[in-house]
Amino acid sequence: GESVGLHLPTLSVQEGDNSIINCAYSNSASDYFIWYKQESGKGPQFIIDIRSNMDKRQGQRVTVLLNKTVKHLSLQIAATQPGDSAVYFCAENSMDSSYKLIFGSGTRLLVRP
Amino acid sequence: SQTIHQWPATLVQPVGSPLSLECTVEGTSNPNLYWYRQAAGRGLQLLFYSVGIGQISSEVPQNLSASRPQDRQFILSSKKLLLSDSGFYLCAWHGTRYLWVFGPGTRLTVL
Repeated sequence: GESVGLHLPTLSVQEGDNSIINCAYSNSASDYFIWYKQESGKGPQFIIDIRSNMDKRQGQRVTVLLNKTVKHLSLQIAATQPGDSAVYFCAENSMDSSYKLIFGSGTRLLVRP
Repeated sequence: SQTIHQWPATLVQPVGSPLSLECTVEGTSNPNLYWYRQAAGRGLQLLFYSVGIGQISSEVPQNLSASRPQDRQFILSSKKLLLSDSGFYLCAWHGTRYLWVFGPGTRLTVL
């Protein structure tokens, strides 16, 4: 069924520290995953994606790790900046339901100056 | 490149009034289109998707309906709004398997 979001947990980090945001996905058949950043009043913004044939992918200051065994996804943000403050969502997609992008419950990231 | 437009950007409506939110897509043809809703402080819930003109699939039973009168137009409607319909409504476009684009959203407040 749908992974309908719960009230958002919050991660508070000091500016300059690394942030790790976790996500548990629901469908073992999912083979494509996306991390989105959403700022207040705006639509989700693509950050990074990963396909299931990989367990790690790096972007600029961001790294996504995929553990298919336990259906877990994480987003690591290096040297977190105030502009990183937002809500972060993971989303999953599977070949057998390739038309559906299912969102996990988000995490609010607060960066302390 | 593909662009999604949504309007209005914000809307305040009384309970029991009708609703019409519009989404249009530029830069592509025959797109898969989606309506998501986000309640305050919550994640995104898929409401409807459409793979072509006149083709609508509903994901959750509710007070809302969707229509796709043209290839690049997707409309979300209600005959009578409920308080629980308040939220942030997002239209999304799905191109290739690995390409999803979201619109700017419409914030709906039902009073």
